[in-house]
Amino acid sequence: QVQLVESGGGVVQPGRSLRLSCAASGFTFSSNAMHWVRQAPGKGLEWVAVISYDGSNKYYGDSVKGRFTISRDNSNNTLYLQMNSLGPEDTAVYYCAKSPRGWSIKDPFDIWGQGTMVTVSS
Amino acid sequence: DIQMTQSPSSLSASVGDRVTFTCRTSQSISTYLNWYQQKPGKAPKLLIYTASSLQSGVPSRFSGSGSGTDFTLTISSLQPEDFATYYCQQSYSIPVTFGQGTKLEIK
Repeated sequence: QVQLVESGGGVVQPGRSLRLSCAASGFTFSSNAMHWVRQAPGKGLEWVAVISYDGSNKYYGDSVKGRFTISRDNSNNTLYLQMNSLGPEDTAVYYCAKSPRGWSIKDPFDIWGQGTMVTVSS
Repeated sequence: DIQMTQSPSSLSASVGDRVTFTCRTSQSISTYLNWYQQKPGKAPKLLIYTASSLQSGVPSRFSGSGSGTDFTLTISSLQPEDFATYYCQQSYSIPVTFGQGTKLEIK
């Protein structure tokens, strides 16, 4: 079945870096745009970034622009989120989510992973 | 950025009730509005896309309507498994934005 499994979360000190991964299975990963969405404890959903099916197009939310980088390895069916200069405001559950098509920002997120928790604290 | 406003923030209802949630956007988004359900400790689940299309596998008691700036999600007859938080999301433009959520609680 279609599945997304995030990993790489944990506790990190302010100012440090962390890389999240999202392993995809059950669909042709190289055909779909992918997103990262986060949710701070007890709060709502915040879109983080999107990457097109081939990695040629990337967009970011204002709160992470210049600090986070989204990338993908289609040969290994894996999505990444490199997070630099982390601050307490980045503490959240991070979800990867799949778009039904290769590149259309107008698509919904039809499949979500279970999330990985990132805690930024000294 | 397009601002999303959901109302109410919370709602108490009973099994069998008909409930309606509202989502308003700060500018017209045609029908690029999606609805998600999230249960505690779980990932969001897509219910409705492009305002009124039912995602595969979602029960037909869920329905959506609207266009432009005003949208609604209706559950025709609440079931015990429907008590959750519901989020609307616009996919009209980047950055994608979500509403703050409506928490549906058991009365």
